[in-house]
Amino acid sequence: EIVMTQSPATLSVSPGERVTLSCRASQSVSSNLAWYQHKRGQPPRLLFYGASTRAAGVPARFSGSGSGTEFTLTISSLQSEDFAVYYCQQYNNWPRTFGQGTKVEIK
Amino acid sequence: QVQLQESGPGLVKPSETLSLTCTVSGGSVSSGGFYWSWIRQPAGKGLEWIGYASYSGTTNYIPSLKSRVTISVDTSKNQFSLRLSSVTAADTAMYYCARGNSRILSPWGQGTLVTVSS
Repeated sequence: EIVMTQSPATLSVSPGERVTLSCRASQSVSSNLAWYQHKRGQPPRLLFYGASTRAAGVPARFSGSGSGTEFTLTISSLQSEDFAVYYCQQYNNWPRTFGQGTKVEIK
Repeated sequence: QVQLQESGPGLVKPSETLSLTCTVSGGSVSSGGFYWSWIRQPAGKGLEWIGYASYSGTTNYIPSLKSRVTISVDTSKNQFSLRLSSVTAADTAMYYCARGNSRILSPWGQGTLVTVSS
């Protein structure tokens, strides 16, 4: 089973700041990596697949990058609606596995 | 726009079977190319993709639960379901249903909390 490790666990950020979230896989997953956003009281929402392809409706301030074992989710200028928990998920192997999440909270 | 809603008992006794249903609106479970999934998240822990099923009968389950889990699709009701037998406290979690393609999940339901306790 591929282990996905996200860092940091929590990020305290002010609105308008640039945010970088990291996700590392225990073995190569090629570009078979998705990112989800999970706000309290809402279902998780797909943000990216293929490591860098935005899902429908995702604002351009979000970007995804990486391949192999190292991946990054960047928010260029954090908005109030972006405070949430972000999960990465690999789909290179079964079982599909998620990272433990990075919580982006208000500083 | 496809929407999913989980339903089922919020409390299940140890050793019994957990049964949840996901009702799909705005789309059909018979739509080709989609797989219907269940995911869970114990409190304070990460997400676990339990498995998926297609309307044609294809299924895939996480190895750690394979002996206890069944996911099935009911095209007549436009629903799919999760059955998890012989539950223990370790199965206490928020359970989500979602549509996917066996690789990614979108959209998800709101989730339903299931507690295993006597």
